[in-house]
Amino acid sequence: GNSVTQMEGPVTLSEEAFLTINCTYTATGYPSLFWYVQYPGEGLQLLLKATKADDKGSNKGFEATYRKETTSFHLEKGSVQVSDSAVYFCALSDSDYKLSFGAGTTVTVRA
Amino acid sequence: DTGVSQDPRHKITKRGQNVTFRCDPISEHNRLYWYRQTLGQGPEFLTYFQNEAQLEKSRLLSDRFSAERPKGSFSTLEIQRTEQGDSAMYLCASSTGTGPYEQYFGPGTRLTVT
Repeated sequence: GNSVTQMEGPVTLSEEAFLTINCTYTATGYPSLFWYVQYPGEGLQLLLKATKADDKGSNKGFEATYRKETTSFHLEKGSVQVSDSAVYFCALSDSDYKLSFGAGTTVTVRA
Repeated sequence: DTGVSQDPRHKITKRGQNVTFRCDPISEHNRLYWYRQTLGQGPEFLTYFQNEAQLEKSRLLSDRFSAERPKGSFSTLEIQRTEQGDSAMYLCASSTGTGPYEQYFGPGTRLTVT
């Protein structure tokens, strides 16, 4: 079956630091890959996506590249801000309906 | 477009009681999904509707759970004879049904069974 494994947290960083959250997946087909973010007190929001190998998703300074050879979709941001403090979820879908999520990584950015 | 809404946001109930949650998807989204999220975990798929048809149910959805989407608009999720293990955040999402499968989530209903 499908599964997503992401880096365990929590992660604590200082402002302007570089952020990487590792995500690897197992899937039977050719999934689409997603990063969702959950800010404190808010619902899950789509941060970025990639639908095929070598695609790069980007949004709000975050990037992730779909690597089929390593079955990975690592999230990166070059310079984090306090407002990036949130829980980040890696997810995949190899069908037209079901998302499979990782356990989430809590990121705290200190001023 | 007001986004996906869920009601109630919080529900505390005693073990053995029945509860019902409501989800209003983004208008004209023909697909609606229910997920369950426990503390420290990512959401887990429960069930999915295409318009009014319920097309898949996860094995996580025991016989005590039932979901409906009459007329393909809002959806309800009912849990009968609640158990403490049902305590979780119940999330609803909707999508247009066209690729690449982007789902929009509501704020969730947090259920606490005492």
